[in-house]
Amino acid sequence: AQSVAQPEDQVNVAEGNPLTVKCTYSVSGNPYLFWYVQYPNRGLQFLLKYITGDNLVKGSYGFEAEFNKSQTSFHLKKPSALVSDSALYFCAVRASTGFQKLVFGTGTRLLVSP
Amino acid sequence: DSGVTQTPKHLITATGQRVTLRCSPRSGDLSVYWYQQSLDQGLQFLIHYYNGEERAKGNILERFSAQQFPDLHSELNLSSLELGDSALYFCASSVEPVQDEKLFFGSGTQLSVL
Repeated sequence: AQSVAQPEDQVNVAEGNPLTVKCTYSVSGNPYLFWYVQYPNRGLQFLLKYITGDNLVKGSYGFEAEFNKSQTSFHLKKPSALVSDSALYFCAVRASTGFQKLVFGTGTRLLVSP
Repeated sequence: DSGVTQTPKHLITATGQRVTLRCSPRSGDLSVYWYQQSLDQGLQFLIHYYNGEERAKGNILERFSAQQFPDLHSELNLSSLELGDSALYFCASSVEPVQDEKLFFGSGTQLSVL
């Protein structure tokens, strides 16, 4: 069965600094990996996904994520954080073969201070 | 706006009661997913319907049931409610249940069981 770990409950970063939100996964075979963001009182919104190909994936709002197969990681990054990036971020994984459910991590709260 | 509509936004009820949560997917989407979000367990997959048929089940209690109707809207029925059922319930939709497809989430129904 697949699983996702987001080791940090919260990440604090100052505006303008780079940010990283960590995610590691476990899945049989090749993974499909996703990042979603949840703003207060809203549903989750898709940010980006890794299916195959280039290990660096670019997504919405200037976010990118790096797939590292040997470390089974898919960390979310942004070169320069904005206060408006403050939200709850979820990593998710699904196996690429067979029909498997999309499994989410427990989420990481990102707080960007002015 | 994701295009996924969930009603009601808030629901307050008592233990032992039964409630129905409703979800209208994006126009054209055939797949509907239900997730439960709680503080202690994060985002948990409950059930997935595709074009009226159940496709996958996750951590859904026997007291809970769901269905998808011919017009593709879905309902999640929660019965014999317990305090621990208090959570945010999300519906998500996608066109096809393929492995690499992103999901569109509604804003959720906040259920409070008193």
